[in-house]
Amino acid sequence: DGGITQSPKYLFRKEGQNVTLSCEQNLNHDAMYWYRQDPGQGLRLIYYSQIVNDFQKGDIAEGYSVSREKKESFPLTVTSAQKNPTAFYLCASRDEGSRAQPQHFGDGTRLSIL
Amino acid sequence: RKEVEQDPGPFNVPEGATVAFNCTYSNSASQSFFWYRQDCRKEPKLLMSVYSSGNEDGRFTAQLNRASQYISLLIRDSKLSDSATYLCVVNWTGKSTFGDGTTLTVKP
Repeated sequence: DGGITQSPKYLFRKEGQNVTLSCEQNLNHDAMYWYRQDPGQGLRLIYYSQIVNDFQKGDIAEGYSVSREKKESFPLTVTSAQKNPTAFYLCASRDEGSRAQPQHFGDGTRLSIL
Repeated sequence: RKEVEQDPGPFNVPEGATVAFNCTYSNSASQSFFWYRQDCRKEPKLLMSVYSSGNEDGRFTAQLNRASQYISLLIRDSKLSDSATYLCVVNWTGKSTFGDGTTLTVKP
C-alpha cells in the first residue's frame, strides 16, 4: 500500500536536546511538507520541499531544520532553539505534477517536553 | 488578515440537520481547493475537492466562488459520525494554506 509513514508516534524531548522526526513516503510525490498543530488550533507550515535537495521555510521555521536528500524522505529536526516544541507534528506529500492534487498526510508524531 | 479564514464555530446541530461552512481566501491566484476532515487527535483526511461547477458526494456538496473568493461545504442529513473538525485548504504554486478549522458536533 502506498502512503506516508511518520515515526515515532510519540516522542519526548529533554531540555537542550535536538530530536528528529522521520517522514517517509512511497507515493513518488515530489513535494513534501511539515506542519505543526497546537491543541484547538489549525495547521501551521514549518518547512516544505518541492524537489530533492531543495526546501523552503514556511511560516514558523525558527527552531526547526530539515533535509531532503532523497525523494522518499523529509526528516524534521526540532532543535534546542525551539523553546515550545510540544505539539502534534504532521508530514504531508503531494504530487506536484498536477496543480489540482491534494496533500496526503501521515498519522503524525506527538512531541512533548520531559 | 489571514490568508484563509473559516467560520469559527463550533456548530452544534441535531441529527438530520443541514449545516453549511464557509471559507474565504485572499489570494486571487489560488489554484485548487479542498475540504479535509480531522477527527480528534488524528491526521486530516481528504473529504473532497472543490470546483467552480460544484462537487457532490452523497450528503456532502462543495462549491467554489472565485469572484467572491470563498468556498463552501454543505452537509445534509447530518449523522453522529459527521462530528469532527472540517478544514478548508487553498493551494497555489508549491504551497498550501489551511484554515483553522470549524468544529461540528452532531447530537442525537
